[in-house]
Formats: sequence, structure tokens, C-alpha cells
Amino acid sequence: GAVVSQHPSRVICKSGTSVKIECRSLDFQATTMFWYRQFPKKSLMLMATSNEGSKATYEQGVEKDKFLINHASLTLSTLTVTSAHPEDSSFYICSAKTETSGMDEQFFGPGTRLTVL
Amino acid sequence: GQNIDQPTEMTATEGAIVQINCTYQTSGFNGLFWYQQHAGEAPTFLSYNVLDGLEEKGRFSSFLSRSKGYSYLLLKELQMKDSASYLCAVMDSNYQLIWGAGTKLIIKP
Repeated sequence: GAVVSQHPSRVICKSGTSVKIECRSLDFQATTMFWYRQFPKKSLMLMATSNEGSKATYEQGVEKDKFLINHASLTLSTLTVTSAHPEDSSFYICSAKTETSGMDEQFFGPGTRLTVL
Repeated sequence: GQNIDQPTEMTATEGAIVQINCTYQTSGFNGLFWYQQHAGEAPTFLSYNVLDGLEEKGRFSSFLSRSKGYSYLLLKELQMKDSASYLCAVMDSNYQLIWGAGTKLIIKP
């Protein structure tokens, strides 16, 4: 099956610094990539949807100037958490969507655990 | 390697019961999640199991056997709106999520 990777898998940073998380589709071209936050033992919250070569669409309540998303190619999207604060500590998950024979399939990455001190 | 297996597609009848199985082989275990995803929408959380046994939540129940590397999601009194994909995911010892490919559930009248 299709594989989505994320890097880094975990990161610890100081408050006020910026952190970049990469999401790659390894063996397919992703028409769309999604970024989620996962709350402990519970739901995924969709943060934004990005299509290659265009600006990301952010969900209500997600600060686009704080969570910068770049989708430069069909295999790579990045999420940059700018001026991170302890409340940004969370598990960030990306997923990539491809269209195969007209049917949408979505594949999830393993997640990146961000801890802001 | 790490692996999550669940059926690709299942079909059931409105009003009936369906069981979606998930087997896993992971390096360590920190819980198993079930999500429901309707086409074109974000997944929604259904259940989290970390101890063996059955967790019941309304029409949905989730079962876990850690010794067997096995879980199932049980849906009762099926409704047409239950037509969706159901994703099984396991959190491993590094707190990384290993995802199943999802089971597409088709409900027929």
C-alpha cells in the first residue's frame, strides 16, 4: 500500500522557536495533503487542507500565520509551527490523498510529537 | 515490520450487526484507536482501547485482546449513515501511530 512518512517523529523545542515538520508520500503523488492535531487518546482535529501549488485552506480557529503550510510538490508538504508555545505541544499527523481510478484514497503518516518547553 | 490488517470492504444490511476486525503486529503497544471517516470528511474518533475487553458506547462497541494482537469494532442496528470507512490505528512503543488501510462499509437497505 501507499506509504506516508513524517519527519521528525518527535521534536522538543524551546518556547518562541519555530519547528518545521515534513510530510512525504513515498510511492505515490498526493493531490491533496491534510494536517491534523490529535488530542490525547481522542480525536483528530483537521487543521488545514493543502493542494500542490496553491494556498492551504485552514479550518476555523486555526491561525494561518502561526501554522504555515507549504505544499511545494506532489510528494512533499511542510507544516511550520512559528513562535511555538507550550500549548502547541501536541501530536501532529499528516495524510495524503490520491485519486486512483476515480476513487479517493487517503493515507496517514505516523505522526510527529511536538513538545514545547 | 509493523503491520495493521483490516478487511478492505464489507457489506451489511440496514438494521443488522457488523463486526470489523483489525489485527496488528507492532513494536510495543500504547493503545488502539477506531475512527470513522465519511467520504470527503476528516476522520472522527470512535473509540480507544488500551486494556483487554469490550468498551461499549451506544450502538458501537470495541474489543481488544492484546495477547492476540486483535481488535474488532462492532456496529449494531446499522443505519444508512453508518456507510463510511472505518480506520484502525495502533500507537506503538514510540508513540507513533500505525494505521490500517481502512475498511469501507457499505450498508444496503
